[in-house]
Amino acid sequence: GAGVSQSPSNKVTEKGKDVELRCDPISGHTALYWYRQRLGQGLEFLIYFQGNSAPDKSGLPSDRFSAERTGESVSTLTIQRTQQEDSAVYLCASSQINYGQQFFGPGTRLTVL
Amino acid sequence: TQLLEQSPQFLSIQEGENLTVYCNSSSVFSSLQWYRQEPGEGPVLLVTVVTGGEVKKLKRLTFQFGDARKDSSLHITAAQPGDTGLYLCAGADTGNQFYFGTGTSLTVIP
Repeated sequence: GAGVSQSPSNKVTEKGKDVELRCDPISGHTALYWYRQRLGQGLEFLIYFQGNSAPDKSGLPSDRFSAERTGESVSTLTIQRTQQEDSAVYLCASSQINYGQQFFGPGTRLTVL
Repeated sequence: TQLLEQSPQFLSIQEGENLTVYCNSSSVFSSLQWYRQEPGEGPVLLVTVVTGGEVKKLKRLTFQFGDARKDSSLHITAAQPGDTGLYLCAGADTGNQFYFGTGTSLTVIP
């Protein structure tokens, strides 16, 4: 596809379970971002991948959150031992370095019961 | 932390009215972007401004970047119901890190 895709679109899980969220960026985009958005609010930066450089993990809220990216392709965001406050929409975006425009996926809505 | 604050947080207006949304920070940004987000979707880029004092117009939308590159405004003329959505500003630093504002939820009533 031409755009950023994310899966699943919705995820309901029980407190304490681990979840994995997936992002497929636009082909050729070297930069990939993960954000968290709580209902009706702005975006909270989580992590940023740029090519083969070490990722910027400064936005991860706790050590329960981690993310990986294979080369310049798929990325997965993992949340371990989920808590109710993790409930939010998790958005992924990709961009071509030097252009700056981020293209967002539709997000994964995570609900922790 | 480079915090971007938007005001107002919520705005409900009648069709045909004008409005301005503000995005303010104490930090300097290399560029600033405005996005609009509709329910259930990711944000979509409206404009990028890069030069202090720059003004860009897109039909009924006018964007301005402050002279010091710390703040920006979005002005909508004759708002329409299709303008309804969450408006987000985002400042970019020299490392291509983006910092998003707190968002302005706009509702235009027909």
